[in-house]
Amino acid sequence: QSALTQEASVSGTVGQKVTLSCNGNSNNIGSNAVGWYQQISNGAPKTVMFGNSLPSGIPDRLSGSKSGTTASLTISGLQPEDEADYYCSTWDYSLSAQVFGGGTKLTVL
Amino acid sequence: EVQLVESGGVVVQPGGSLRLSCAASGFTFDTYTMHWVRQAPGKGLEWVALISWDGGVTHSADSVKGRFTLSRDNNKNSLYLQMNSLRTEDTALYYCTKGTNSGSDHWGQGTLVTVSS
Repeated sequence: QSALTQEASVSGTVGQKVTLSCNGNSNNIGSNAVGWYQQISNGAPKTVMFGNSLPSGIPDRLSGSKSGTTASLTISGLQPEDEADYYCSTWDYSLSAQVFGGGTKLTVL
Repeated sequence: EVQLVESGGVVVQPGGSLRLSCAASGFTFDTYTMHWVRQAPGKGLEWVALISWDGGVTHSADSVKGRFTLSRDNNKNSLYLQMNSLRTEDTALYYCTKGTNSGSDHWGQGTLVTVSS
């Protein structure tokens, strides 16, 4: 069982806005910046957000936010190429470990 | 351009040992924390271990504690993962990643470790 909880699956149509969530606790999300990782068709993961910063080359249709112990990744203007698995991760002080969510499969209809 | 190239993954028997390597380029290696993250077939991402910029601090997941050792050679821009007492559940694609304040900002392509008799 993952320390961070994500929806198993989310779907949306082209052009729609979708929000993926990542729930933790005060020892992880509540205390640290969250990273988001995209994995397309079992390829290598790619960082799409760290903290609230977009890495170079990532479209600004993606945005990140955090409220208390929940982090969110919002994708506006959904595109077919956004279809992928998305994972959240952060440091957990009580575990002294980096923790990941179980991943959300985003389907673009 | 940041590049991380993992190597060393092979098929090994349960109880065996293996050393993975990661060659880094395109950034100032000796100023960054580095991580190993793995992914078992059909499963999600699992953090394995991290090492601080100078090698002075390491942390590892409970699942590998006491069996895996992380080290680095800043003169060679290289990261290593010594894996001992391997189990079938260690079978996974192992990724080397460059650390940030929230986890990782760059990932390698991975190297496959298969533990099987």
